[in-house]
Amino acid sequence: GAGVSQSPSNKVTEKGKDVELRCDPISGHTALYWYRQRLGQGLEFLIYFQGNSAPDKSGLPSDRFSAERTGESVSTLTIQRTQQEDSAVYLCASSNSGGALDTQYFGPGTRLTVL
Amino acid sequence: GQNIDQPTEMTATEGAIVQINCTYQTSGFNGLFWYQQHAGEAPTFLSYNVLDGLEEKGRFSSFLSRSKGYSYLLLKELQMKDSASYLCAVRGGQNFVFGPGTRLSVLP
Repeated sequence: GAGVSQSPSNKVTEKGKDVELRCDPISGHTALYWYRQRLGQGLEFLIYFQGNSAPDKSGLPSDRFSAERTGESVSTLTIQRTQQEDSAVYLCASSNSGGALDTQYFGPGTRLTVL
Repeated sequence: GQNIDQPTEMTATEGAIVQINCTYQTSGFNGLFWYQQHAGEAPTFLSYNVLDGLEEKGRFSSFLSRSKGYSYLLLKELQMKDSASYLCAVRGGQNFVFGPGTRLSVLP
């Protein structure tokens, strides 16, 4: 497809379980971003990739959160030992080069519910 | 610290003009962006400003004053489909800081 895709679209898990969220950016986009959006709130920056490296991990809320990117393409966000406060929509975005004025294109998000 | 403020909610009438304000305090500035987000959907890019002044794009315009840390999004000839949240975001360095969003309701 031409846009950013994410899977799964919805994930319900039990507290304490690990979850893995996937993002497929637009082909050729070198920059990739992960955000978290809690219900009724703005976007919270989590991590940014330029190619396969993550120069900015400042937004990861705790050591339970990790992300990787391979082949300058797919990225996975992993949340270990999920907590109820992790419930949110996780949005992925990609941009052409990560330059200052690069437009981000967002995926549809993964809605995570931790019971 | 980094802080972006927007009004939480606004209401306007179909056909009218509405201005959504955004004030920011960030470490570094590489541009200010506006996104539209319909309920349950991903944000979509509307506009960006990097220099002071007004950028016009059809019914939508965006203004920036870097010295005042202030921007606004102006929506003209409002349509029902414009009911959405409008997110102000500042790029400082390599990451983006988003405001909480303004929920706009357009009434007939």
